[in-house]
Amino acid sequence: SAVISQKPSRDICQRGTSLTIQCQVDSQVTMMFWYRQQPGQSLTLIATANQGSEATYESGFVIDKFPISRPNLTFSTLTVSNMSPEDSSIYLCSVEEAKSYNEQFFGPGTRLTVL
Amino acid sequence: AQTVTQSQPEMSVQEAETVTLSCTYDTSESNYYLFWYKQPPSRQMILVIRQEAYKQQNATENRFSVNFQKAAKSFSLKISDSQLGDTAMYFCAYLSQKLVFGQGTRLTINP
Repeated sequence: SAVISQKPSRDICQRGTSLTIQCQVDSQVTMMFWYRQQPGQSLTLIATANQGSEATYESGFVIDKFPISRPNLTFSTLTVSNMSPEDSSIYLCSVEEAKSYNEQFFGPGTRLTVL
Repeated sequence: AQTVTQSQPEMSVQEAETVTLSCTYDTSESNYYLFWYKQPPSRQMILVIRQEAYKQQNATENRFSVNFQKAAKSFSLKISDSQLGDTAMYFCAYLSQKLVFGQGTRLTINP
């Protein structure tokens, strides 16, 4: 399966600032996704990162708050904008390879704390 | 909307015992996929096992097996000969249009 890395692994940010999280895959993948895992909670899909076009957002998530880029088949970024303490979560990217039969593989996650 | 329910927030067993984690889901779809993911304290999500809804045969991966009951919309995970390294959060997940996760079961294997 693809090897996925995320940067940063963790960060502590001030209210009102923005943080960009990077997701890098060691091979070209068809699909990339971003999830949020709030403290002690399950994972919730934020959006599907589409290569060369705007991301597809799930209900409750908007582009102004969570802009996403995917310039190529191996890289994506998620920005958490104008942060508040409620944004404190683990943010995970996942990928689906063409050969993976609908299996998603996850990156190590970025633990974000907003003060 | 599809929902996934894990009714056991926490479980604890002794090493070498067998443990079964429960999962039920709600869907009107006939074709979908089901997964169990493991999230150790290091937080890396690891795919444990997958099941295609159109397959009647239950999936097996070494010590991990599932009991898939499509009519009952049930998808339980059995871990045989449990090991200390099995200690983790376990998430059941459903995939049709998107991946939907249950709330998770925290499993502790005691020495």
